[in-house]
Amino acid sequence: NAGVTQTPKFQVLKTGQSMTLQCAQDMNHNSMYWYRQDPGMGLRLIYYSASEGTTDKGEVPNGYNVSRLNKREFSLRLESAAPSQTSVYFCASSEARVAGNEQYFGPGTRLTVT
Amino acid sequence: AQSVTQLDSQVPVFEEAPVELRCNYSSSVSVYLFWYVQYPNQGLQLLLKYLSGSTLVKGINGFEAEFNKSQTSFHLRKPSVHISDTAEYFCAVTQIQGAQKLVFGQGTRLTINP
Repeated sequence: NAGVTQTPKFQVLKTGQSMTLQCAQDMNHNSMYWYRQDPGMGLRLIYYSASEGTTDKGEVPNGYNVSRLNKREFSLRLESAAPSQTSVYFCASSEARVAGNEQYFGPGTRLTVT
Repeated sequence: AQSVTQLDSQVPVFEEAPVELRCNYSSSVSVYLFWYVQYPNQGLQLLLKYLSGSTLVKGINGFEAEFNKSQTSFHLRKPSVHISDTAEYFCAVTQIQGAQKLVFGQGTRLTINP
């Protein structure tokens, strides 16, 4: 099992450009999440999908959109990138129908917006 | 809403010394508590979690944590650290009912000196 995979690993964008971060999991989990990690701020939830066909905003959703393409895949889109979106982005998944289950994290995407 | 405060942003210790990483949380509802570890340039992985029962929980790599409801704390400890424990450690909470969204602390960078 690969677990949670993310592409790309690194990306540099210019202000105003768009891009989609891809995430896939092979653990048959129902729930998937997108976080951003910034120095001194821990991880903050951008969007999550409790189950296939549903998505909800997290703590910092502005400037992002998501798509739960199927049970395996959950993508994060930046329509018009801004320097404030320079961050490391992590995707995670969990079997959240069992309360307290751990979330499994991907390796991250390091995004720089110039 | 929940919030998590990790009281130390950096903790330097010598190899084989004991260490305690402090975590306090705030919540108006019952929560589950987690500690995750992030090794350099990797995603997060679960160290341990508290769901219910004994307030002392043991995790991987010799770590343990104690849940103290009256002090709303969940401090992480290890009696003797190793160079390989150098990493960033995150305390997190999620509400017991509803969507399993993690709220993270700011992180504590543990540096082990030989």
